[in-house]
Amino acid sequence: DTEVTQTPKHLVMGMTNKKSLKCEQHMGHRAMYWYKQKAKKPPELMFVYSYEKLSINESVPSRFSPECPNSSLLNLHLHALQPEDSALYLCASSHWTDPNTGELFFGEGSRLTVL
Amino acid sequence: SQQGEEDPQALSIQEGENATMNCSYKTSINNLQWYRQNSGRGLVHLILIRSNEREKHSGRLRVTLDTSKKSSSLLITASRAADTASYFCATDAGETSGSRLTFGEGTQLTVNP
Repeated sequence: DTEVTQTPKHLVMGMTNKKSLKCEQHMGHRAMYWYKQKAKKPPELMFVYSYEKLSINESVPSRFSPECPNSSLLNLHLHALQPEDSALYLCASSHWTDPNTGELFFGEGSRLTVL
Repeated sequence: SQQGEEDPQALSIQEGENATMNCSYKTSINNLQWYRQNSGRGLVHLILIRSNEREKHSGRLRVTLDTSKKSSSLLITASRAADTASYFCATDAGETSGSRLTFGEGTQLTVNP
């Protein structure tokens, strides 16, 4: 069983909706990540948080807004999304060992469909 | 841009056979990792090999790394139907700007019973 919990597992939203994806880990990891994965493609990095501060933003459109309220939680706020944003959104965490990247622990993902 | 390219894109074998997947990358790395993903699920870490290591074993898994050729291979011995999944290599370029793993395109492995 994964130790990274993502909710909801499935989300369907219209282009004018506002919704949030949530991620939680209790492994004491100080690095947390959001990845986006389209069907039959590899995960693509969106954001990295280290010690609750945003350290990497991979030029993600502003309709995606990350938030790290504390060391265990990571949110991804969604607003005015486009149908092409439909994908599996994966949260991951790891020990912070900058500049090296250690093992990532992934959640099961949130499957997002934008109508 | 994707750091890693994997081949083959798809591999179908019989149970009990060995499966070999290859990964090539473009820039220098701190480490290279292999992950497994069952359909529609999250990724599971399999093994990490550092840039100063050449070979690593974990159970039925054997990973090699050739930094001169910028390539790695993952060997799964005595495969089982439960090994059916997508396998991704991921490289850590060790950039000082932060912790970033870049995933290759993946190999879809099917193990037939």
